[in-house]
Order: sequence, then structure tokens, then C-alpha cells
Amino acid sequence: KAGVTQTPRYLIKTRGQQVTLSCSPISGHRSVSWYQQTPGQGLQFLFEYFSETQRNKGNFPGRFSGRQFSNSRSEMNVSTLELGDSALYLCASSTASGANVLTFGAGSRLTVL
Amino acid sequence: AQTVTQSQPEMSVQEAETVTLSCTYDTSESDYYLFWYKQPPSRQMILVIRQEAYKQQNATENRFSVNFQKAAKSFSLKISDSQLGDAAMYFCAYRSRAGGTSYGKLTFGQGTILTVHP
Repeated sequence: KAGVTQTPRYLIKTRGQQVTLSCSPISGHRSVSWYQQTPGQGLQFLFEYFSETQRNKGNFPGRFSGRQFSNSRSEMNVSTLELGDSALYLCASSTASGANVLTFGAGSRLTVL
Repeated sequence: AQTVTQSQPEMSVQEAETVTLSCTYDTSESDYYLFWYKQPPSRQMILVIRQEAYKQQNATENRFSVNFQKAAKSFSLKISDSQLGDAAMYFCAYRSRAGGTSYGKLTFGQGTILTVHP
């Protein structure tokens, strides 16, 4: 069974640009969550999607957005990139919103110059 | 809001020895999950062990076990017979069972870097 797949694994952008990251969950998993990991702030919850609906959102500015498609794949978008957006972005999937176990992908490393 | 604290930024252990990683948390809820995740240099977060708060029995997974003290809000991880492959960053995490604002949300501690010496 394939795990959670995140693409791209690495990317470099400049300030003011926008970026889109993709996450394909484990087959059969309908919930996808996103996290930002930085050395200073640690792991912080961004948002969670289930059945194409955002169910929960963390404390991030509106520049951070996401969506989920009918096949449960999810994308997150960050617009008007800032240097502080440099981070490892992790995606996790689970069978349902209330499921207790999240399975993580390997992450997308974003560097903003 | 819930908080998770890992007071040991770094720990080290000799191969084959035992090490305990500490975690405390703060919550007003009575029903929740607690987890330990491992993040090796490859960056992939891997679930090590989980504990359901309503279960008094401490969870065990092979060489990994927890000491769950609900009243003290403490959740430590013990690694027995440490192996070189155990070297990683370890995160303690909390998840509410309340639904709604808990959907998909884990609250993580700051992590503990574990070094295993041969």
C-alpha cells in the first residue's frame, strides 16, 4: 500500500511569489491535514480537509489556503511568499476526521529567498 | 488551548541501553489521545506509540513503552535495548477527541533529539 506522497520534495522561491504543494493520501483515506515545521516555531497545524471540505484551520494568515479534490488529493497554496514561510510542509492522512492516527508524508521543503 | 512540553532538547544513550524521554501536557479535557512520533533525518514522521487517555494501562510496542500519568499530565517514552536506528527527533503530541476543532489537529511538543552511541 503506497504511503502519503508529497510533491515537490524541494523547491526554492523568491519573496512575493506563490507556491502550490500537493499531497496524495493513502488509498482509502479521506482526511488530509497540513502542518508547517520550522526550527523556531516547531510543528504547527495549518488546516484539515475531509470530503473536499475544510473542517479545521490553524492560526495562519489568509495567504495560506488549501483545497481537496474528489479523489482526496489535497493542495495547499501560499501566496505572496515571505522569508518566514521557509519551512518543511508536512501532509498527513487518516481514514476520517475523527480517526486517531495520522500517517505523514516525507514533506516538501520550501526555501524562500 | 492545549500545550505540550518536552523539557529535554537533547538526550543520548549507549546502544543496548535504556532511555526515557519526558513529556508533559496541559489540557482541561478528560478524553484525548497522546502520541510519540519519530522523525529521522529522512524527515518522515513515523508513529511510535499511542495512548488513549481513558485507558489506564500503559501502551507498549515492542521495545517502546510509555508511562502515562493522567493526573500529573505526564507521558514519558521509554526505549529499551536502544539501537542505532532509534536515533531521531522524537515528538510528543496531543489530540483531542472532542471533534470539531480537533479534526486533523495534533498539538506537538518542541521535540527531543535522541543520539545513540555505538
